[in-house]
Amino acid sequence: SQQGEEDPQALSIQEGENATMNCSYKTSINNLQWYRQNSGRGLVHLILIRSNEREKHSGRLRVTLDTSKKSSSLLITASRAADTASYFCATGKAAGNKLTFGGGTRVLVKP
Amino acid sequence: GAVVSQHPSWVICKSGTSVKIECRSLDFQATTMFWYRQFPKQSLMLMATSNEGSKATYEQGVEKDKFLINHASLTLSTLTVTSAHPEDSSFYICSALTDRGNSPLHFGNGTRLTVT
Repeated sequence: SQQGEEDPQALSIQEGENATMNCSYKTSINNLQWYRQNSGRGLVHLILIRSNEREKHSGRLRVTLDTSKKSSSLLITASRAADTASYFCATGKAAGNKLTFGGGTRVLVKP
Repeated sequence: GAVVSQHPSWVICKSGTSVKIECRSLDFQATTMFWYRQFPKQSLMLMATSNEGSKATYEQGVEKDKFLINHASLTLSTLTVTSAHPEDSSFYICSALTDRGNSPLHFGNGTRLTVT
């Protein structure tokens, strides 16, 4: 079964708006990662947050991690049409270990 | 850096034939590679973990005789779908792990397999 569950499954917003998606997981983790996938392509790594970190920024991306609630969020600020993609969270139990992916959130940014 | 090349990007084959998919790390050595399968609008399902020089570790429910994995070098892993059937049609994606702790996965662009 999938470790991570993402919410919402799909999100449609206007260009310039912020997009927020959440990820919940069930077991203890070493790190949590967010990936992006354009249709029919491989995944691109966006950001990694370690279990002892609470928040991380990268450009227009902001990731939070709450290990007490076993949840994470990804915020994309000032969205662009090019941000249209599926976004997946993935959890790792140990450094260098295999990742378990969530169900993904399909984001559509309308120009 | 950390580029993973997956080939072919798409393949159509007849039922009963075998198909080989290659995954290469172009600018780094990958001691571990992972093979995933993805159905439309769904998440990635890990099929197996491929370690250079040793047998692959398959996830529960994945037939090792059906999906043959060979990781013969530090830069190449192959997945062979043997005696393919229409239900094997899917998007197969490989990823590679650099030899550093807490490093992200680097993904190939996937292979769309259609079995007719």
